[in-house]
Amino acid sequence: SQQGEEDPQALSIQEGENATMNCSYKTSINNLQWYRQNSGRGLVHLILIRSNEREKHSGRLRVTLDTSKKSSSLLITASRAADTASYFCATKVRGGSNYKLTFGKGTLLTVNP
Amino acid sequence: DVKVTQSSRYLVKRTGEKVFLECVQDMDHENMFWYRQDPGLGLRLIYFSYDVKMKEKGDIPEGYSVSREKKERFSLILESASTNQTSMYLCASRRAGGDSETQYFGPGTRLLVL
Repeated sequence: SQQGEEDPQALSIQEGENATMNCSYKTSINNLQWYRQNSGRGLVHLILIRSNEREKHSGRLRVTLDTSKKSSSLLITASRAADTASYFCATKVRGGSNYKLTFGKGTLLTVNP
Repeated sequence: DVKVTQSSRYLVKRTGEKVFLECVQDMDHENMFWYRQDPGLGLRLIYFSYDVKMKEKGDIPEGYSVSREKKERFSLILESASTNQTSMYLCASRRAGGDSETQYFGPGTRLLVL
């Protein structure tokens, strides 16, 4: 079952612009993570935000979490061509130490030079 | 540097063949996962393992089995490959519990079943 859904499905911007991707989910979560996937490769972890946090930063990444709306956003500032990739949100539903993440379908970001 | 490796990047098999996809991690992680990724469907969990010799079905286990005889190795088995199993297969591992909740992925195996 799909827990997280990213929006938009695809996003095309110019280098230097900011890119915002959204993720909505259905059930209460323990944390939410964002991953990046370059074309034809595995996923790479970007950032994790816990359910009691509202905002988190890592370099050019800013993640927000609104548990009342069951949504999260990933902002990439001053985008570069190398940011071109698919971005996935993944949610951990409340549970024990052994759990599974549920991934969304992803947003394909294209940054044009 | 953490590493998850998969035995093949590309694989071509014929319908009915038995297919083994191998995944090895060098981080002493307890948890390991197999996903398949298809256009428009995102990542779907096939099987996962919390420890050696332990396995649990994910969301789409039909047509697949797994083996975890050693902690570092998690194998995905297609008993009789079918064309609808043509896909990108991703392995991942993760330390159990605590704050180390990052999931590490291998580079993927793109399987074509003819």
